[in-house]
Amino acid sequence: DQQVKQNSPSLSVQEGRISILNCDYTNSMFDYFLWYKKYPAEGPTFLISISSIKDKNEDGRFTVFLNKSAKHLSLHIVPSQPGDSAVYFCAASAPAGAGSYQLTFGKGTKLSVIP
Amino acid sequence: SAVISQKPSRDICQRGTSLTIQCQVDSQVTMMFWYRQQPGQSLTLIATANQGSEATYESGFVIDKFPISRPNLTFSTLTVSNMSPEDSSIYLCSVQLATSYEQYFGPGTRLTVT
Repeated sequence: DQQVKQNSPSLSVQEGRISILNCDYTNSMFDYFLWYKKYPAEGPTFLISISSIKDKNEDGRFTVFLNKSAKHLSLHIVPSQPGDSAVYFCAASAPAGAGSYQLTFGKGTKLSVIP
Repeated sequence: SAVISQKPSRDICQRGTSLTIQCQVDSQVTMMFWYRQQPGQSLTLIATANQGSEATYESGFVIDKFPISRPNLTFSTLTVSNMSPEDSSIYLCSVQLATSYEQYFGPGTRLTVT
């Protein structure tokens, strides 16, 4: 059973417009959420995160929104740029003991920004 | 953050053989992890590499198939043993810094088993 779901495998957006990537989760124990970006032949790169006690976190062109009651988060990229074309993974964190946090990943959404 | 390197970056291996993947971090870290990403799938945690003790494996992964070493706080290896085509995946190591929730990933090892 997938605890973190990204229901859109792909998304195409025109350059300059807003990209909205969505993520749903089922486990109420998740207390921290992260977005990673992955280019081909590279490892995932941390992009932005949000604590479960907040509903919004912004970093430049990237904003993550969290709706705890709906168990839903979204990543907004505005304005979108061709260099943003990549696979975006949503991840949720839960305590795993001994000070570590275990990440559970969604399957990713491939974003294509069209010039 | 941390700078993480992995060797090899890719390999093509024959069924029944084993491959050892190395992960090197540029600073001492407590928590190191190994993940697998099968084609079209999410990243799945294989195990937590513990320094000085046996790795902690997730459900569905066993030490005989994926032995892990962690001799110090900057280095770990993952061996994929007795490989079959189903082991064809990208294998990634990651680290978690003591002061953050984030994990930082290496570039990955793309393994193809024929």
